[in-house]
Amino acid sequence: AQKITQTQPGMFVQEKEAVTLDCTYDTSDQSYGLFWYKQPSSGEMIFLIYQGSYDEQNATEGRYSLNFQKARKSANLVISASQLGDSAMYFCAMREGNAGGTSYGKLTFGQGTILTVHP
Amino acid sequence: DAGITQSPRHKVTETGTPVTLRCHQTENHRYMYWYRQDPGHGLRLIHYSYGVKDTDKGEVSDGYSVSRSKTEDFLLTLESATSSQTSVYFCATRGSSGDNEQFFGPGTRLTVL
Repeated sequence: AQKITQTQPGMFVQEKEAVTLDCTYDTSDQSYGLFWYKQPSSGEMIFLIYQGSYDEQNATEGRYSLNFQKARKSANLVISASQLGDSAMYFCAMREGNAGGTSYGKLTFGQGTILTVHP
Repeated sequence: DAGITQSPRHKVTETGTPVTLRCHQTENHRYMYWYRQDPGHGLRLIHYSYGVKDTDKGEVSDGYSVSRSKTEDFLLTLESATSSQTSVYFCATRGSSGDNEQFFGPGTRLTVL
């Protein structure tokens, strides 16, 4: 069974500083995908970044980068130059691998990390 | 924005009553999902669909049923609501098996008294 662990219930960062949100995962699949979602206080789920298990380079999307260390089974999110609007809950999630060539895309989520950005 | 709406957005009901939540999408996405969000658990998959009338159970399916008679609609039914089903319910969609991103609806806050 797949499992995602986010060990930081809450994180604080100063505006304009960088912050790393931790995520470790466990799976027996060879092919899988890793995601980060942001959930602001308004409640919607916002897709941030995706990393495939076979991608050799770390994914980046603007100020977001995913530090993928396959051997350690970690997929940490790095937010550079934090902004007040980055204050939110952040979820790490994993998509199952392909079963017989078909991925149903089911996601397993971690418990989330609440990030607070101080001015 | 994948054009996902959920209805109702908020609902308060009593234990033992049936409840149906609706997810509607306008993108002709093949895959649809129902998740519930609870503190300390993140989001957990309830049921999912990979086509019209093709559905399967997720991690926390007990007490829930689903139906998908049209591509655009995915219904989640609580046959007899219990207080443990008080939660925020999210619908999500994905276009095809080659797509990575899942798009989420705005969520439905359900309270079972």
